[in-house]
Amino acid sequence: EAQVTQNPRYLITVTGKKLTVTCSQNMNHEYMSWYRQDPGLGLRQIYYSMNVEVTDKGDVPEGYKVSRKEKRNFPLILESPSPNQTSLYFCASSPGQGTDTQYFGPGTRLTVL
Amino acid sequence: GNSVTQMEGPVTLSEEAFLTINCTYTATGYPSLFWYVQYPGEGLQLLLKATKADDKGSNKGFEATYRKETTSFHLEKGSVQVSDSAVYFCALLPYNNNDMRFGAGTRLTVKP
Repeated sequence: EAQVTQNPRYLITVTGKKLTVTCSQNMNHEYMSWYRQDPGLGLRQIYYSMNVEVTDKGDVPEGYKVSRKEKRNFPLILESPSPNQTSLYFCASSPGQGTDTQYFGPGTRLTVL
Repeated sequence: GNSVTQMEGPVTLSEEAFLTINCTYTATGYPSLFWYVQYPGEGLQLLLKATKADDKGSNKGFEATYRKETTSFHLEKGSVQVSDSAVYFCALLPYNNNDMRFGAGTRLTVKP
């Protein structure tokens, strides 16, 4: 089944404790991205990647890192999480850039205490 | 910069009512426009899209027309069902980069 998977689905952590949210897609898509969803703000793009070893900042990259060492994986790294990073995070992928449909993962709800 | 503004919700309708969710955008050039739907507990799914002015996207009875003159992409459905209850997001993809922008979302509840 074609899908985007994220792990963990739920995470409660404390300020300053490094964490990684994994994202994997099995559709051989070139383009992957990370969003955060906050009430009243919709989805905001954090980072995106157009191919292996190519990443770019989105609208709200501060406090986040990403890497794209393999085509299928695009982990989101929070080196020192803070409470304002409490949010619902979505990973997405698409065959290419431009007008291709994005396929979203199920989301990761992160709480930083 | 590029941005999307959606009508605020929540919107509550009776089954078989007519639905309109307004969406306007600000962008340079000719962006592509999208409507995504999010059902409870799930990620977003593409509902429809339009890539140039006057294009009409349609799917599952929903329609939206890309209006360059009014910078709008309003979502419509002639007769909503209970199963249409979800959050709807309008989004744009600029013509010259991959920085996708979403609206705040509009929660729709359809009552029997």
